[in-house]
Amino acid sequence: DAKTTQPTSMDCAEGRAANLPCNHSTISGNEYVYWYRQIHSQGPQYIIHGLKNNETNEMASLIITEDRKSSTLILPHATLRDTAVYYCIVRVSNFGNEKLTFGTGTRLTIIP
Amino acid sequence: GAVVSQHPSWVICKSGTSVKIECRSLDFQATTMFWYRQFPKQSLMLMATSNEGSKATYEQGVEKDKFLINHASLTLSTLTVTSAHPEDSSFYICSARGGGSGYTFGSGTRLTVV
Repeated sequence: DAKTTQPTSMDCAEGRAANLPCNHSTISGNEYVYWYRQIHSQGPQYIIHGLKNNETNEMASLIITEDRKSSTLILPHATLRDTAVYYCIVRVSNFGNEKLTFGTGTRLTIIP
Repeated sequence: GAVVSQHPSWVICKSGTSVKIECRSLDFQATTMFWYRQFPKQSLMLMATSNEGSKATYEQGVEKDKFLINHASLTLSTLTVTSAHPEDSSFYICSARGGGSGYTFGSGTRLTVV
C-alpha cells in the first residue's frame, strides 16, 4: 500500500490560502490521491481527488507533482469553518477491493 | 449529492449486550460499503469491507465473530457489535462506494459501553 506523510498540524490566518502538503513517494501509476477532511465528531467530508493532472473544484485545488510523489491541497480563502483534520489518502486498488486507508492527517487551525 | 445515513448517531449499552448500527445509501446503490472505527485523537481505522450479497472482508486483527457485518441489499449494510465491552467504546463510521466522489461517509455512531 502506498503510504502518505503529512505534517501533524498547521495554522493559517483567516482569509489567506491554506496549503497542505502530502508526500506519497511509493504511489503506483494507477493510484489516485484523495483528500478528505473531518470536523470534530463527524464523518469525513470529501474534498477533491486526482490522478495526474491538477484539479480544482468549488472547495479546493489539488496540485500533484509531475513525478506524482507529492501533492498539495490548496484552500484558496480559508475561513474559520475550515478548521479540521485533513487526510491525504492514496486509494489502494487490489483485485477490485478499492478501499481508502487513512493516515494520521494534518490538523489545520484557522486563526481569526 | 450522494448521502449516506448512519443510525443511531449515538448509543449507550450495557456490557455484554449487542448493538446494531445501520448504514444506508439514500440516493444511490452501493455494492461496496466500508466500516471504520476511530478512537479519540486517532485516525480512522478500516475494520472491514462489506460487499452486497457476499461475506465481508475483515482487516487483519479485527474479529469477524465479534463485529458482524451484513450487506443484504444495495442500500443497506449493518454492523453488529456482539457482547460489547467497554474497550469497544468508539466512534464507528461507515462509507459507501458510489455517488459523485466515489466514497461517501456517514456521520458516525458514538458507542459507549458501560
